[in-house]
Amino acid sequence: GAVVSQHPSWVICKSGTSVKIECRSLDFQATTMFWYRQFPKQSLMLMATSNEGSKATYEQGVEKDKFLINHASLTLSTLTVTSAHPEDSSFYICSARSGRHQPQHFGDGTRLSIL
Amino acid sequence: EDQVTQSPEALRLQEGESSSLNCSYTVSGLRGLFWYRQDPGKGPEFLFTLYSAGEEKEKERLKATLTKKESFLHITAPKPEDSATYLCAVQTIQGAQKLVFGQGTRLTINP
Repeated sequence: GAVVSQHPSWVICKSGTSVKIECRSLDFQATTMFWYRQFPKQSLMLMATSNEGSKATYEQGVEKDKFLINHASLTLSTLTVTSAHPEDSSFYICSARSGRHQPQHFGDGTRLSIL
Repeated sequence: EDQVTQSPEALRLQEGESSSLNCSYTVSGLRGLFWYRQDPGKGPEFLFTLYSAGEEKEKERLKATLTKKESFLHITAPKPEDSATYLCAVQTIQGAQKLVFGQGTRLTINP
């Protein structure tokens, strides 16, 4: 149980394009989903928190207009990296939980490379 | 400010050599402490949640314990497949939406 699917797992694109990453909870309803960024050999850095049907809450220093988050249903959240540049290259991971006191369950991440 | 510190940063063990990983935390009010395992190129996999001092949880060769200041992840007779990065995270009462992660311990078990 508690499976989170993230797609795509790997994407390479040219500078200036926009990239959408999907995060789905497959066997539970996710009241809250989270988006993280992870640099090599470092821990997870929270980018934003999204509750279904509400606007996402972004962490300090994260550009809202660059990282667009949509959480339109209880099983799907999307992260769109707009006008991506090489410095946006990273490993992006989503997580989801079914309730406030439940653990977060993570997807397998998306490796984003911007050329 | 809420802080989570894990030690050691990296640990190499021989197969069958038991050891412990440490997670020290400084938070205003602890709601829960979580342990995750992360394999290279993958997302973290949930292992345990601990809520109060004195609590213990076990899963196969792993046992997690919690005190008021730290948590230990004990690994008994590890196997090479236990090699991974182990992450500790805390959820606070004030910031109940978020997890604050430690930097992780990279564990390598040599056959």
